[in-house]
Amino acid sequence: AIQMTQSPSSLSASVGDRVTITCRASQGITNDLGWYQQKPGKAPKLLIYTASSLQSGVPSRFSGSGSGTDFTLTINSLQPEDFATYYCLQDYNYPWTFGQGTKVEIK
Amino acid sequence: QVQLVESGGGVVQPGRSLRLSCAASGFTFSSYAMHWVRQVPGKGLEWVADISYDGTNKYYADSVKGRFTISRDNSKSKLYLEMNSLRADDTAAYYCAKVKYCSSSRCYELEYWGQGTLVTVSS
Repeated sequence: AIQMTQSPSSLSASVGDRVTITCRASQGITNDLGWYQQKPGKAPKLLIYTASSLQSGVPSRFSGSGSGTDFTLTINSLQPEDFATYYCLQDYNYPWTFGQGTKVEIK
Repeated sequence: QVQLVESGGGVVQPGRSLRLSCAASGFTFSSYAMHWVRQVPGKGLEWVADISYDGTNKYYADSVKGRFTISRDNSKSKLYLEMNSLRADDTAAYYCAKVKYCSSSRCYELEYWGQGTLVTVSS
């Protein structure tokens, strides 16, 4: 199975900061990667698909990049409502695998 | 609007069985692959299984293979997860999810999720 290694596991940032989360695949997955946001007690929400495409309705401060094995989720100008845990998910092959998550805390 | 509503969770003893259901509405259920994802309380997400739009193709995580069975009834717009030989480490919230799109027999991303149903395996 493809392993997805996400970093950091947690971070603390201030409102207005730029935040970067990375995900590394144990083998190449082209651009078959999505990013999800999960708030406490809620289901995950799709933010980015095929590595860099913004899901409809998601604020433009979220962006994704990368291909192959290295991927990045960037949040420009962090907002209070961005407090959440973020996960990457590879859908390149089975079994689909998630990163372990990055918890973003607001300073 | 798309709605996915899971049901069937509860407390079950180790070794017993449980069937989860997911009622779908707001989209043409028979046109989309569907997935189950689980999450141990306070932990990360784990992909469990998926089924193609017509039910012919099914894939499972190694952790559930041989014990869990995913199925669907397109006439009822319902997705199921039959869980047998349950273990304590199957305790989790179980989410059903709809793929965003499919292309060339592959499907991508989990665009809509249900609210989850909690399964607790305990004696």
